[in-house]
Amino acid sequence: QKEVEQNSGPLSVPEGAIASLNCTYSDRVSQSFFWYRQYSGKSPELIMSIYSNGDKEDGRFTAQLNKASQYVSLLIRDSQPSDSATYLCAVGGQNFVFGPGTRLSVLP
Amino acid sequence: DTEVTQTPKHLVMGMTNKKSLKCEQHMGHRAMYWYKQKAKKPPELMFVYSYEKLSINESVPSRFSPECPNSSLLNLHLHALQPEDSALYLCASSQPPGGSGELFFGEGSRLTVL
Repeated sequence: QKEVEQNSGPLSVPEGAIASLNCTYSDRVSQSFFWYRQYSGKSPELIMSIYSNGDKEDGRFTAQLNKASQYVSLLIRDSQPSDSATYLCAVGGQNFVFGPGTRLSVLP
Repeated sequence: DTEVTQTPKHLVMGMTNKKSLKCEQHMGHRAMYWYKQKAKKPPELMFVYSYEKLSINESVPSRFSPECPNSSLLNLHLHALQPEDSALYLCASSQPPGGSGELFFGEGSRLTVL
């Protein structure tokens, strides 16, 4: 059974700071990893995908993958109040599995 | 524009009713998914269709019956539901099926069972 864990929240950061979100997964053969953002009452929205070890940057977001440690992270630079949401880590494959989510609050 | 469209957005039904949730995707994907999401919980996988065939059923009660009429459409037929089935039901699609593709979600159908 594939399992995905995330650091417990809620996580509060001041506006302009870096928010760091962490995720670990149990299935060593997993190859694809995703970060979704979900606002309250809305559906999940894909913000990053990563498949290879190392860093992947897209605007203010950087995803980091370490397959040897079975670890994925998401950094949000220059955090804005609009980034306040629940962030879901997901592991791809036949049965796409989500972690429990980390709630992020960015304080003005 | 949302390329995965779900209808209805809200549904209220009694425990003896029969209703259906519908999903349509316009991205040419060949895998479609139903997820159930309760408040403050992550989406929980229910069913996966791959090339219009049911490939995963996560031990979902038979009161939920999925149907995939073609590669663009996915239905979830509901019958004799319980109040604890009240949740947000999310449809998603991906390409390629079961591979590395990202899931794209519709806006969801919020179901209330009285």
